[in-house]
Amino acid sequence: NAGVTQTPKFRILKIGQSMTLQCAQDMNHNYMYWYRQDPGMGLKLIYYSVGAGITDKGEVPNGYNVSRSTTEDFPLRLELAAPSQTSVYFCASSYGVDDEQFFGPGTRLTVL
Amino acid sequence: QKEVEQNSGPLSVPEGAIASLNCTYSDRVSQSFFWYRQYSGKSPELIMSIYSNGDKEDGRFTAQLNKASQYVSLLIRDSQPSDSATYLCAPTGFQKLVFGTGTRLLVSP
Repeated sequence: NAGVTQTPKFRILKIGQSMTLQCAQDMNHNYMYWYRQDPGMGLKLIYYSVGAGITDKGEVPNGYNVSRSTTEDFPLRLELAAPSQTSVYFCASSYGVDDEQFFGPGTRLTVL
Repeated sequence: QKEVEQNSGPLSVPEGAIASLNCTYSDRVSQSFFWYRQYSGKSPELIMSIYSNGDKEDGRFTAQLNKASQYVSLLIRDSQPSDSATYLCAPTGFQKLVFGTGTRLLVSP
């Protein structure tokens, strides 16, 4: 099992550009999550999904969109990138809400 | 009041000592509690989970849970320099885990 994979590992965007961060898991987990972590800070939940076709906002959803068309994939879309979106983005998955979350390696995004 | 509160540290202990990390949470219905370790520049990894009141031991790690006091702690015995990391407390909330901001632990040789 590859676990949770994320691409790309690093990316530099210009202000106003858009991009999609990819996340995939091969553990047949129902729940998937997107977090951002600013330097020296904790994890902030952006969006989460409890199953294919079902997504909901987390703590900091503004400027982001998600979709969950399959159990395996949970891409995060950034529209009109802003410097405030410079952060490390982690994708995670779990079987159920009371179960351990497994994290991907993260994507380091810089917006200039 | 924050949903999960942890002392940000750093907590400095000498090698071989016991490190005690504490966490309080506000959601009385939380059922599961997790401790994650995050090395600098890496993703969080689970080190302990605890579901019922009392102590749970796993090697050098002991998690303690007191639901009445809404308090969970992590003890690390015989601390090693390799334990230097940020430790995140995460009780379950509605449809998700709620992560604390973490306590940074520094173990000096």
